[in-house]
Amino acid sequence: GENVEQHPSTLSVQEGDSAVIKCTYSDSASNYFPWYKQELGKGPQLIIDIRSNVGEKKDQRIAVTLNKTAKHFSLHITETQPEDSAVYFCAAPARAGSYQLTFGKGTKLSVIP
Amino acid sequence: ETGVTQSPTHLIKTRGQQVTLRCSSQSGHNTVSWYQQALGQGPQFIFQYYREEENGRGNFPPRFSGLQFPNYSSELNVNALELDDSALYLCASSLGSGGPGEQFFGPGTRLTVL
Repeated sequence: GENVEQHPSTLSVQEGDSAVIKCTYSDSASNYFPWYKQELGKGPQLIIDIRSNVGEKKDQRIAVTLNKTAKHFSLHITETQPEDSAVYFCAAPARAGSYQLTFGKGTKLSVIP
Repeated sequence: ETGVTQSPTHLIKTRGQQVTLRCSSQSGHNTVSWYQQALGQGPQFIFQYYREEENGRGNFPPRFSGLQFPNYSSELNVNALELDDSALYLCASSLGSGGPGEQFFGPGTRLTVL
């Protein structure tokens, strides 16, 4: 099955700076990579995802890049704001073509005003 | 908001008891997945239901069972509760089409086992 590793586990940035979170996966057949944001007391919220047929996807201040050769993908948040503070999770399908997601252990992002 | 609802929001049980958690999927979604999230960890897949049938199971014992109803809502049942079952239980709905796609999570049910 898929193994997803996420780094760093905690990240503190000054407001306005950029934040980058990286994940590696083990199954080269994986083809879908979502990122979730989880605020305290809430369920994970899908913020962006990417499929293996593209290398980068952007949505306003958020972008995801995918390197299939190295089997890693990254979340980039630019111009961070205090409301970006949350725990972020990456995920990948447990098996190619499966809806079952394997999650990383999460990154707690703190944006300091 | 995703349109996925879960009940109850919080629950306290004692060891050995049984619990039923409920999930209503987003309108139009026919697939529900259940995840267990221990404190400080990422969600772990329990099982998935697609069109009322179990469609995949994670590494959880048989005392974790589920149901999906014709309206695609779902239940998670846990028998013989153990202290380690204390966690946030999340359901996620999606539109099954044979491959991975967007999953939308509910707010979760916080289960505490004493």
